[in-house]
Amino acid sequence: DAGVIQSPRHEVTEMGQEVTLRCKPISGHNSLFWYRQTMMRGLELLIYFNNNVPIDDSGMPEDRFSAKMPNASFSTLKIQPSEPRDSAVYFCASSLSWQGASPLHFGNGTRLTVT
Amino acid sequence: DAKTTQPNSMESNEEEPVHLPCNHSTISGTDYIHWYRQLPSQGPEYVIHGLTSNVNNRMASLAIAEDRKSSTLILHRATLRDAAVYYCTPFYGGSQGNLIFGKGTKLSVKP
Repeated sequence: DAGVIQSPRHEVTEMGQEVTLRCKPISGHNSLFWYRQTMMRGLELLIYFNNNVPIDDSGMPEDRFSAKMPNASFSTLKIQPSEPRDSAVYFCASSLSWQGASPLHFGNGTRLTVT
Repeated sequence: DAKTTQPNSMESNEEEPVHLPCNHSTISGTDYIHWYRQLPSQGPEYVIHGLTSNVNNRMASLAIAEDRKSSTLILHRATLRDAAVYYCTPFYGGSQGNLIFGKGTKLSVKP
């Protein structure tokens, strides 16, 4: 079991550029979650999917953020245009269930730095 | 939003038991209680979860109060590798099936 795979591990970009973060969930998991972590705000839930369909995106901070899940094995989180305040560690997690009966499995995160 | 309350930090000696408390007074009857821990520079790691009954696994035990408004994560013999931030998070099911993480408890383990 390879676990949740995120890429890239580190991303450094300039303000105004588009950033795309990628996630491959554990095979067979039908729920996927995107989180963001900063020292100031801790872990924040951005959006989650069930069976590739977005269930709740109320945590997405602005219209500059968008997430897609075109199939069961791949999801992207895009920031366009990026700003310095978007600098954070972004985590993807997957689960067998989106309603709590199964644990979340997290990836190792993507550390984003926007200069 | 429902909230959890955990101590900011706790200390333990190696090989002693550790009891990490969490208050989640606004939890509803269908919400699972999840515990995760996070080591530096890593993603959160699942520890244990439960609904009503106490739960045990190879990592820890979870004691859930009868009214479900609080729970306690029990590490039976703390090791240096258990030093981490521990998050208690009720999983709000139904139409809002999401895990919201609070600040967690930073556990230090002394040799």
